[in-house]
Amino acid sequence: GESVGLHLPTLSVQEGDNSIINCAYSNSASDYFIWYKQESGKGPQFIIDIRSNMDKRQGQRVTVLLNKTVKHLSLQIAATQPGDSAVYFCAEKWNQGGKLIFGQGTELSVKP
Amino acid sequence: DGGITQSPKYLFRKEGQNVTLSCEQNLNHDAMYWYRQDPGQGLRLIYYSQIVNDFQKGDIAEGYSVSREKKESFPLTVTSAQKNPTAFYLCASSTQGPQDTEAFFGQGTRLTVV
Repeated sequence: GESVGLHLPTLSVQEGDNSIINCAYSNSASDYFIWYKQESGKGPQFIIDIRSNMDKRQGQRVTVLLNKTVKHLSLQIAATQPGDSAVYFCAEKWNQGGKLIFGQGTELSVKP
Repeated sequence: DGGITQSPKYLFRKEGQNVTLSCEQNLNHDAMYWYRQDPGQGLRLIYYSQIVNDFQKGDIAEGYSVSREKKESFPLTVTSAQKNPTAFYLCASSTQGPQDTEAFFGQGTRLTVV
């Protein structure tokens, strides 16, 4: 069956350091892979996406890397700030039917 | 203001009762989704709808039902057949299309069975 999962459930970093959050997926029937951020008690918010024919995409302070050979997705956050503390989910959108499937999530904690 | 609204924020239900969670959006989005989130867990897809009067089961549809009679509304009914309904329920909407990856989420409804 399909699944999108994360390697590390928790990640603690020092303010100012770079953070790397990883995700493994098993189903390749997706055209896009996406990262969402969820703060406590709120719904997830879109951060960045990457199309399956790309291997890297950069946004503001964030970079997403896609390695289709090993079915691995990562989110890099540069100069991590306390406001980055949240749970981060990877997700994939199927190109057939538009199904949007989420992974388990990684909780990022930023120490001042 | 455009957005997606879930109500109520907190809901208590007695065992054996059905309960309906509301989700309304004024973003003119075709696609809508319902997810369940348990503590420390990810989001699991219950149902989704790509167009009015049509919807598909997600990964955990048993014990739930939905309707999509209007584009703006996608209510979720948690039936008595759902064995463990206590959870945080999230509704989302997005434009329809393979390139439309940004889903907008409501603030969620926390359902507790007492």
